[in-house]
Amino acid sequence: AQSVTQLGSHVSVSEGALVLLRCNYSSSVPPYLFWYVQYPNQGLQLLLKYTSAATLVKGINGFEAEFKKSETSFHLTKPSAHMSDAAEYFCAVSGSGNTGRLIFGQGTTLQVKP
Amino acid sequence: DTEVTQTPKHLVMGMTNKKSLKCEQHMGHRAMYWYKQKAKKPPELMFVYSYEKLSINESVPSRFSPECPNSSLLNLHLHALQPEDSALYLCASSQELPYPAMEQFFGPGTRLTVL
Repeated sequence: AQSVTQLGSHVSVSEGALVLLRCNYSSSVPPYLFWYVQYPNQGLQLLLKYTSAATLVKGINGFEAEFKKSETSFHLTKPSAHMSDAAEYFCAVSGSGNTGRLIFGQGTTLQVKP
Repeated sequence: DTEVTQTPKHLVMGMTNKKSLKCEQHMGHRAMYWYKQKAKKPPELMFVYSYEKLSINESVPSRFSPECPNSSLLNLHLHALQPEDSALYLCASSQELPYPAMEQFFGPGTRLTVL
């Protein structure tokens, strides 16, 4: 069965600092992995996805993530945080059986301090 | 058009009311989803429709009744809800199943309050 663990329910960085949000997965089959962002009172927006084409995935708004099979990780990074990056971030893995089910992590709240 | 729209944005209802949530997409997607999201929690899958047929019901209470009248439209009918059903209800769509790499596109949600 698939699962996702996001380490750190709350991450605080200064504006301009590196953003690192951690995601580890467990999957019995080759995983498809996603990072979504949710701004207050909004739906989820896809930042990027891993589908085995390349281990370093670039997404929107300057975010990228690296798939590391040996570490079962898919951490999200951004070189320089902006105030507008403050939001909730969810890592997700596509469930087995091709049912469309997404298995979400518990989420990480990113706070950006001026 | 790359949007999933949801109406209403906010809904307040009593426990004896009947109401409906509406979701629409015009991206030609053939899979549509309903999620429930409590504050500071990830979305919880409720239902999945594939080609207008219900393919997953995550043991959701019968006071929630989904309907997919056509490939662009998804409804969630609500009846005799409980205060603990208050949450953000999100609709999503994806191109089709079964392709696990297909990302889901989410609507902005309906904030439901049950009094």
